[in-house]
Amino acid sequence: QVQLVESGGGVVQPGGSLRLSCAASGFTFSNYGMHWVRQAPGKGLEWVSFLRYDGNNKYYADSVKGRFTISRDNSKNTLYFQMNSLRPEDTAVYYCAKDGMGYQFLGTWLDSWGQGTLVTVSS
Amino acid sequence: DIQMTQSPSSLSASVGDRVTITCQTSQDIRSSLNWYQQKPGKAPSLLIYDASNLETGVPSRFSGSGSGTHFTFTISSLQPEDFATYYCQQYDNLPPSFGQGTKLEIK
Repeated sequence: QVQLVESGGGVVQPGGSLRLSCAASGFTFSNYGMHWVRQAPGKGLEWVSFLRYDGNNKYYADSVKGRFTISRDNSKNTLYFQMNSLRPEDTAVYYCAKDGMGYQFLGTWLDSWGQGTLVTVSS
Repeated sequence: DIQMTQSPSSLSASVGDRVTITCQTSQDIRSSLNWYQQKPGKAPSLLIYDASNLETGVPSRFSGSGSGTHFTFTISSLQPEDFATYYCQQYDNLPPSFGQGTKLEIK
């Protein structure tokens, strides 16, 4: 079965950096686009970024554009999220999620989710 | 960006009730609308994709309908395990966006 396991969250000071990882198994990772979605404490879901199955075509929410970078290593079945210039408003649980359709240039539905990793930005 | 208006934001209902949640979008998104369930402390899970398609393994008491700008999500007979928060999500236009959520509570 599909399994997505995030890691790399933690507490960081404003202006700091973190790199999240998402280890994927149970499906052909290189065939599917991948998303990052976040959820601030007590709030709703916010889509943050999408990366096409082959690593081309990256998309970001305006709230993180220019600060965060999504990438993947298909040889390691791993998705990454480099987060720089972190702000207190970036505090959230970050979920990686698998896109529901293979070989898509843009995202569709998110059919499998990891358990999430908490990022706390605070001095 | 497409604006999502999900209603109601909260809802109290009893086991066995029929429940409906609506999602309206600021632009025509055809049928590019999905529904998710999230329980406290857990990741969301996909229930309905493309407005009306039931995800594999999801009970048939869940259903979705609509197209264009108006969408409906229905639980035909509430079960105890259905008390959760539900979100709609569009993917017709970038950026993908979620509704604000509907918290379904036990009456």
